[in-house]
Amino acid sequence: DAGVTQSPTHLIKTRGQQVTLRCSPKSGHDTVSWYQQALGQGPQFIFQYYEEEERQRGNFPDRFSGHQFPNYSSELNVNALLLGDSALYLCASSFGGGAGDTQYFGPGTRLTVL
Amino acid sequence: AQSVTQLDSHVSVSEGTPVLLRCNYSSSYSPSLFWYVQHPNKGLQLLLKYTSAATLVKGINGFEAEFKKSETSFHLTKPSAHMSDAAEYFCVVSDRDDYKLSFGAGTTVTVRA
Repeated sequence: DAGVTQSPTHLIKTRGQQVTLRCSPKSGHDTVSWYQQALGQGPQFIFQYYEEEERQRGNFPDRFSGHQFPNYSSELNVNALLLGDSALYLCASSFGGGAGDTQYFGPGTRLTVL
Repeated sequence: AQSVTQLDSHVSVSEGTPVLLRCNYSSSYSPSLFWYVQHPNKGLQLLLKYTSAATLVKGINGFEAEFKKSETSFHLTKPSAHMSDAAEYFCVVSDRDDYKLSFGAGTTVTVRA
């Protein structure tokens, strides 16, 4: 049973550039959430996608956007990168779209902004 | 609004001794509560989940947690630590009308031989 997969594993960008991160949910899951984990901190919720729509958003600027495809996979896009965007980006998937559902996490994408 | 406070940023135990990680939560509604573990350079793994059934929740790898509504606590314990338990542990809350998970700051566990 394939778990949540993310690509790429690592990424290095410079300030002002744009980046796209990808996530494939666990088999059978239809809901994808994205989190940002800065070094030494707990993950912070960016947004959640369900039925190809952004359903809930955390306290992140519009530079952060996403998409969910018909096969439930998802992308996270970040424009105009800042040094402070350097972090581990985690994708999590769940089934059924309910509040309080268990979310299963991928290994993350480490983004470094120089 | 929901939030989590992990009372210890770092816990150090000897192998074979008990582990206690403390967590207090704040929630507007009846919450779901979780503990996740993160080993170095790895993603987050679910240890256990509370959803208003039994107040004592058993998880993987010998961990368990007790939900105490009167104390708004959800402490994680393990009777005997193993070297492989060295990791970062996160207490997490989700309100029943909320789709996001809210994480605590984490507790780093060190296990001494």
